[in-house]
Amino acid sequence: GAVVSQHPSRVICKSGTSVKIECRSLDFQATTMFWYRQFPKQSLMLMATSNEGSKATYEQGVEKDKFLINHASLTLSTLTVTSAHPEDSSFYICSARESGIVETQYFGPGTRLLVL
Amino acid sequence: QKEVEQDPGPLSVPEGAIVSLNCTYSNSAFQYFMWYRQYSRKGPELLMYTYSSGNKEDGRFTAQVDKSSKYISLFIRDSQPSDSATYLCALELGGYNKLIFGAGTRLAVHP
Repeated sequence: GAVVSQHPSRVICKSGTSVKIECRSLDFQATTMFWYRQFPKQSLMLMATSNEGSKATYEQGVEKDKFLINHASLTLSTLTVTSAHPEDSSFYICSARESGIVETQYFGPGTRLLVL
Repeated sequence: QKEVEQDPGPLSVPEGAIVSLNCTYSNSAFQYFMWYRQYSRKGPELLMYTYSSGNKEDGRFTAQVDKSSKYISLFIRDSQPSDSATYLCALELGGYNKLIFGAGTRLAVHP
């Protein structure tokens, strides 16, 4: 199957700092990437849909100025958590849809963010 | 009413058992049906996807879709301890580029 990587896998930061998470599709081109958030023992919550070369579409209740998404190429999308606070601590997972294949999304391994 | 209902479990079975995991949904417009497996602290891994009613088999896994009943299932034969994970069903409307996930069922297969 297609491979999606995320970096970093874990990050600890101080409150008020910004954190950038990268999501890469390693062996395919992804016109669409998705960012999810997952709390312990809960399902995935879609935060935003990112299309290469255009602005991301955010889900209701997700602050676009807080969670900046950039999808600059067909293999890379970044999520920046700005001015992070302890309540932003969570597991962030990206997924990518292969260009021309609409049915499936491939997920990255996730990034665990802890804000102190 | 949630768009997708899935019993969160936990479900505990002995090794070798047949496992049945299920989701129900309310919107008949869903066109694509997927099952993901997620190990603790890892990203979900795509196991099966289908878009039509009926069965689809891949090794020990069988995905079943009944659109008339709005019911999907994943069967695991000869379950192994390595199958212990959370299983998420995911549905897509088609053309909307958005998956709707079930809550996930935690499965534990004990030796």
